[in-house]
Amino acid sequence: EIVLTQSPGTLSLSPGERATLSCRASQSVGSKYLTWYQQKPGQAPRLLMYSASSRATGIPDRFSGSGSGTDFTLTISRLEPEDFAVYYCQHYHNSPLIFGGGTKVEIK
Amino acid sequence: QVQLQESGPGLVRPSETLSLTCTVSGGSISPFYWNWIRQPPGKGLEWIGFTSYSGHTFYNPSLKSRVTISVDTNNNQFSLNLKSVTAADTAVYYCSRWTEDCQGFEFWGQGILVTVSS
Repeated sequence: EIVLTQSPGTLSLSPGERATLSCRASQSVGSKYLTWYQQKPGQAPRLLMYSASSRATGIPDRFSGSGSGTDFTLTISRLEPEDFAVYYCQHYHNSPLIFGGGTKVEIK
Repeated sequence: QVQLQESGPGLVRPSETLSLTCTVSGGSISPFYWNWIRQPPGKGLEWIGFTSYSGHTFYNPSLKSRVTISVDTNNNQFSLNLKSVTAADTAVYYCSRWTEDCQGFEFWGQGILVTVSS
């Protein structure tokens, strides 16, 4: 079973700053089998990025993803107030589908 | 716009079976994969398993011995049964559609909190 480790656990930043979130896999998940979700309190997760670097429908271009193999990054170029949330990575390279433990982006 | 809605009891007694239904509106059951995902309070997400529109199922090995997911195409619904529950199964349960085009869980229900307690 592939394990996804997200870091940092919490990121304290101010609006307008850049956020860099990491997701590391215990073994390769290939070049594209990695997805990112955003979850706000009391809400279901929302699909942000798929295939590591493709934005889902309606996701603003301040969100970008990169990486392959075992190391992946989600970048938010300039944080907007609505971006403060928990972010999860998830792989679909094989079974079971696994989510990372999440990174909370909080207002500093 | 595709919408999903979970329904079922919010309280289940230990050792009994948790049963939830997800009703899909605004789109067809086919040709997609329909999933259940859960989230214990204050914790992360755990994928439970999926059914295809044709009834092909696949489960998380950690839950496989207790899980059954089924589909009812006539009513645009799919269901989750989780037997022999314990307090560790207390969670918000989400139903979700996996979309091949975007390789992700594209649509989600709002979630339903199920508490296992006597």
